[in-house]
Amino acid sequence: DTEVTQTPKHLVMGMTNKKSLKCEQHMGHRAMYWYKQKAKKPPELMFVYSYEKLSINESVPSRFSPECPNSSLLNLHLHALQPEDSALYLCASSQVVSRGYTFGSGTRLTVV
Amino acid sequence: GIQVEQSPPDLILQEGANSTLRCNFSDSVNNLQWFHQNPWGQLINLFYIPSGTKQNGRLSATTVATERYSLLYISSSQTTDSGVYFCAVARIKAAGNKLTFGGGTRVLVKP
Repeated sequence: DTEVTQTPKHLVMGMTNKKSLKCEQHMGHRAMYWYKQKAKKPPELMFVYSYEKLSINESVPSRFSPECPNSSLLNLHLHALQPEDSALYLCASSQVVSRGYTFGSGTRLTVV
Repeated sequence: GIQVEQSPPDLILQEGANSTLRCNFSDSVNNLQWFHQNPWGQLINLFYIPSGTKQNGRLSATTVATERYSLLYISSSQTTDSGVYFCAVARIKAAGNKLTFGGGTRVLVKP
């Protein structure tokens, strides 16, 4: 299995909703990442997990809450988002001493 | 942090043409990847190439780490090559890599 699977593919949520994005990989990678991509911009790093522990938080607002329950799963919990948080959210994984990232197909989030 | 610049920002090609995309980076790196992002947002890994030259079908890439640049060559372009090409770099650390992306080259291949 050489894939990173993200669900859901599309999500529309209100500003008072709570939702979660899910990411799963079975490549034995011990580093996992969340990226945010706005239209016509490159992906920007949000969080890095290494060995299931949060190692990098790129000053992301607390309305985004990551979680890594085990070495195969990565969640991103969303609460009280703003319309400007609408974006493509990408999950990726790699070996900790990396030989390259593998990205999922993303969740396209719209906040209304 | 590391700065990554890609050129050109936009490229329009006639089907069958060849092209070269460039990526310059500001510091030494030990991870460099080229990605193709399709219209649905999927980032497809084309090459992991921190140094040297690799080829995969009509695509090839060269990284000259000492001079801090990488080139992606597309030969005999096809309409399916359209999309955005990103170069991304990182310095490997024990806490996981921080992969930094360039601004991308938007490629349109016309039939």
